[in-house]
Amino acid sequence: DQQVKQNSPSLSVQEGRISILNCDYTNSMFDYFLWYKKYPAEGPTFLISISSIKDKNEDGRFTVFLNKSAKHLSLHIVPSQPGDSAVYFCAASGGSSASKIIFGSGTRLSIRP
Amino acid sequence: EPEVTQTPSHQVTQMGQEVILRCVPISNHLYFYWYRQILGQKVEFLVSFYNNEISEKSEIFDDQFSVERPDGSNFTLKIRSTKLEDSAMYFCASSDSRRTKNIQYFGAGTRLSVL
Repeated sequence: DQQVKQNSPSLSVQEGRISILNCDYTNSMFDYFLWYKKYPAEGPTFLISISSIKDKNEDGRFTVFLNKSAKHLSLHIVPSQPGDSAVYFCAASGGSSASKIIFGSGTRLSIRP
Repeated sequence: EPEVTQTPSHQVTQMGQEVILRCVPISNHLYFYWYRQILGQKVEFLVSFYNNEISEKSEIFDDQFSVERPDGSNFTLKIRSTKLEDSAMYFCASSDSRRTKNIQYFGAGTRLSVL
């Protein structure tokens, strides 16, 4: 199932700089997009989401951008902090209110001092 | 902060045995889900559950799997006769889509090891 793709398995960013994580999707029926963060031995933790009717959503240091024509979304973290080191999953859902979430394969973000 | 809790954290079983994975969703949530993640692979959807019945299930969720909400707080996943390929992390999730559409909150997972 390649409906949600994260092409970068890993990313290393210096502390204090901006982290940009990218995600592409193929299914035009998706109408809601989410980013989850996952630490080892824990479940995915919801971070931020965006509806398909918007192109930007901001929550503190985290901003998600959605480009529907390109079927692309990105997560910006600024400034990056050591605690941001984790695996980030892009995810999408569509249709009914009890929709399943389709996850990408994840990007491992490492924040170096 | 309310959270989804899962027990046990690790379950070891012999092939062919039945296992029950347990979850306590967030108390005011109405929608419940199971996902799994095989080592090195994506998190993948298994089943969603609402109003005491299955809303949607994936092709993975065959006759060996069943879900139940036996009381007002627990949500269980049963695997009737485990296979080696059932070894994975199993995540329970819940959501209250009346307020926050499709934001699902996940538990820490149960690692199932089938020997």
